[in-house]
Amino acid sequence: DGGITQSPKYLFRKEGQNVTLSCEQNLNHDAMYWYRQDPGQGLRLIYYSQIVNDFQKGDIAEGYSVSREKKESFPLTVTSAQKNPTAFYLCASSFGQSEAFFGQGTRLTVV
Amino acid sequence: AQKVTQAQTEISVVEKEDVTLDCVYETRDTTYYLFWYKQPPSGELVFLIRRNSFDEQNEISGRYSWNFQKSTSSFNFTITASQVVDSAVYFCALVLNRDDKIIFGKGTRLHILP
Repeated sequence: DGGITQSPKYLFRKEGQNVTLSCEQNLNHDAMYWYRQDPGQGLRLIYYSQIVNDFQKGDIAEGYSVSREKKESFPLTVTSAQKNPTAFYLCASSFGQSEAFFGQGTRLTVV
Repeated sequence: AQKVTQAQTEISVVEKEDVTLDCVYETRDTTYYLFWYKQPPSGELVFLIRRNSFDEQNEISGRYSWNFQKSTSSFNFTITASQVVDSAVYFCALVLNRDDKIIFGKGTRLHILP
């Protein structure tokens, strides 16, 4: 079945550690996105990519990095520079200005 | 700058009541797309509807209806005869024709009480 898959569902990070969240899609979508969701904050855009090997910063890119080496994959690394990484992270993909498809999310907790 | 405002942070209604979720957007572009998504407790966003800026026709899908008015830059969503399963967070979103960036409102948390 076509869809978008995020892994892992839950992730724990120690202070000062980098962690990478996986996002894979088999919908042949050009655009992919990463959002962060905190309680009462809605969805805030971290990074998005409209094409392979290209990506743009969103509203809260500091402390995060991404890569887009393949059309299907858009991993997000939460670096040690991100001081408050505990949140729910959502990945999405879309084709042009059509509706976006979302993954089930990764809940990241700092321990 | 582009912006989507959902002024209602949280709404509670009793089952079978009608409820309207407001969405106001800002853009100077003439071609754009508006969306509504539902986020149930599981966390994954589900697409509900997409409208382009040239189509102001209202749409009805079962108990759901949408009212798009360019004159007031609004794209409101009404649930008729609400049900407990409608309880979720609802997001309004804007996408410009010249860009794939999705601009979300902050969402409205809807509680349908039995």
